[in-house]
Amino acid sequence: DTAVSQTPKYLVTQMGNDKSIKCEQNLGHDTMYWYKQDSKKFLKIMFSYNNKELIINETVPNRFSPKSPDKAHLNLHINSLELGDSAVYFCASSHRDRNSPLHFGNGTRLTVT
Amino acid sequence: AQSVSQHNHHVILSEAASLELGCNYSYGGTVNLFWYVQYPGQHLQLLLKYFSGDPLVKGIKGFEAEFIKSKFSFNLRKPSVQWSDTAEYFCAVKMGARNNNDMRFGAGTRLTVKP
Repeated sequence: DTAVSQTPKYLVTQMGNDKSIKCEQNLGHDTMYWYKQDSKKFLKIMFSYNNKELIINETVPNRFSPKSPDKAHLNLHINSLELGDSAVYFCASSHRDRNSPLHFGNGTRLTVT
Repeated sequence: AQSVSQHNHHVILSEAASLELGCNYSYGGTVNLFWYVQYPGQHLQLLLKYFSGDPLVKGIKGFEAEFIKSKFSFNLRKPSVQWSDTAEYFCAVKMGARNNNDMRFGAGTRLTVKP
């Protein structure tokens, strides 16, 4: 199936740990995104990559580090996890042009205890 | 700064009622506009989109939206809602190349449809 897939779906971890979330798309898109959705459902863009190049880097703690090994993958590594990092993280992809909608992954629910 | 505003935080309707969810954006350049739906526990799915042409666009599941350029608005409508429309609805704006084709979302409107 063509899709944006992210793993894991659920991630429960303790404060101070380091964790990664992986994202892959096979839609042939050249741009990938990470969004954070908080408990109030607010969606905030974190990063955007176009052809492996970082193009959007919002005000996000530098504990969050995206990595794009190729244009079909965008992983998110988080160091020294904090309670406030608990949220649902969505990966998305699109063509870069303005006309292209975003296609979202199923989300990763991160719970930091 | 560019922003997307959704006026209603939570809307509660009975089945068969008509729906209109407000969305306004602030961005001076050319934008493309989208509505997404997020059913409970699921990811965001595209409902409809506006690029150009007829300002009244029709999407899936009987939804439509009207772009009013002078009001910077893109309101979502449905003549008769169903219980299965209970979900979170997000308005989104995708900007041009000057803004790295960035896509910004409104805060979302939760729709609860009572059977």
